[in-house]
Amino acid sequence: EPEVTQTPSHQVTQMGQEVILRCVPISNHLYFYWYRQILGQKVEFLVSFYNNEISEKSEIFDDQFSVERPDGSNFTLKIRSTKLEDSAMYFCASKRTGFLTGELFFGEGSRLTVL
Amino acid sequence: GQQVMQIPQYQHVQEGEDFTTYCNSSTTLSNIQWYKQRPGGHPVFLIQLVKSGEVKKQKRLTFQFGEAKKNSSLHITATQTTDVGTYFCAGVNAGGTSYGKLTFGQGTILTVHP
Repeated sequence: EPEVTQTPSHQVTQMGQEVILRCVPISNHLYFYWYRQILGQKVEFLVSFYNNEISEKSEIFDDQFSVERPDGSNFTLKIRSTKLEDSAMYFCASKRTGFLTGELFFGEGSRLTVL
Repeated sequence: GQQVMQIPQYQHVQEGEDFTTYCNSSTTLSNIQWYKQRPGGHPVFLIQLVKSGEVKKQKRLTFQFGEAKKNSSLHITATQTTDVGTYFCAGVNAGGTSYGKLTFGQGTILTVHP
């Protein structure tokens, strides 16, 4: 069964460092998302991406965050200068179709620890 | 902004007992989805409800969407140890251009004692 893959599974970084989290969505999917989950808390929306551009972003997704789909398969989340409060599990998700509806397929997540 | 509230936060049951979690949105939803997250895992899609008053069943799981499309529930009959995990509802706002942005509830952590 096709799946969303994410790397790295765990990244430890120093505050102020740049981090890139990578995702390979399912190949025929058209909508891509990043969500994050602080330990023990709910899953929070960061950004959605469609047709090679950001379609919506949350207040969390400030100027320190960016996303790219550089080569038609990878989908990356960059945090330019990490803060302690960026420590969380970051989930990439994708879906095939459906503007408002449709099942999201989540990757297994990248755990980011900022020291 | 849109808020999705979910109760209870925790539920401990004996195996064989029933379990229900409730979800309430501050805004009218286009659709609501339910996800299950096992400890240490990622959210896995269970179901999507789109129509007002819709009821769907998956074996021991029954999902309902309210008439006003602002609330939903998940009911599990005769829980098993394999039902352990966190159950999240997640709503998509109606009338927006959200590209399917999901707003998650806080989740209900279900533990099942054998």
